[in-house]
Amino acid sequence: DAGVIQSPRHEVTEMGQEVTLRCKPISGHDYLFWYRQTMMRGLELLIYFNNNVPIDDSGMPEDRFSAKMPNASFSTLKIQPSEPRDSAVYFCASSFESLAGESGEQYFGPGTRLTVT
Amino acid sequence: AQSVTQPDIHITVSEGASLELRCNYSYGATPYLFWYVQSPGQGLQLLLKYFSGDTLVQGIKGFEAEFKRSQSSFNLRKPSVHWSDAAEYFCALFDSWGKLQFGAGTQVVVTP
Repeated sequence: DAGVIQSPRHEVTEMGQEVTLRCKPISGHDYLFWYRQTMMRGLELLIYFNNNVPIDDSGMPEDRFSAKMPNASFSTLKIQPSEPRDSAVYFCASSFESLAGESGEQYFGPGTRLTVT
Repeated sequence: AQSVTQPDIHITVSEGASLELRCNYSYGATPYLFWYVQSPGQGLQLLLKYFSGDTLVQGIKGFEAEFKRSQSSFNLRKPSVHWSDAAEYFCALFDSWGKLQFGAGTQVVVTP
């Protein structure tokens, strides 16, 4: 398997523009996570899905952020409108549920570095 | 409260020397604990995990970690570091809401 695939790897946009980040999880994984990493706040979980259904979106900063998972092999994270404070590295990760009933063994994509000017 | 603390923000170690990274957790039951590594410009990669049983856990890249319930710790060790071990290391706890809680990370610098 190619691992978790994210696109684009880098995105530079102007404030107010819509940004869409894409993720393809590892085939067979039933959990998908979106994280944001900044120097100030570290690694933050934004939202996660189980079997394509959003389970916890309490980490989504505000209504400007939305995420979808239309099928098991694709997810998007959209920011509309974008603001300079959204500049960060956004990671997608996927996982499976272990026999212990947890999904902590997560496989991370390479990330999308977003810069909003 | 469920949380993970990594007391050391930054550690410098000489190549060939031993390395120990500290991790303390707060959790009411037996925790599921993980160590991840992030190389520059990369995503996180799982080094090892602890669920139950043997308290000394072996991972990839020559790393091991020891779970000590009495000290609420899960420290990561490597006997002899290589220059390629320079990275940021994250300890994480799988919490009761089904999410990984990450520590703030420890940046490891390896000197010649």
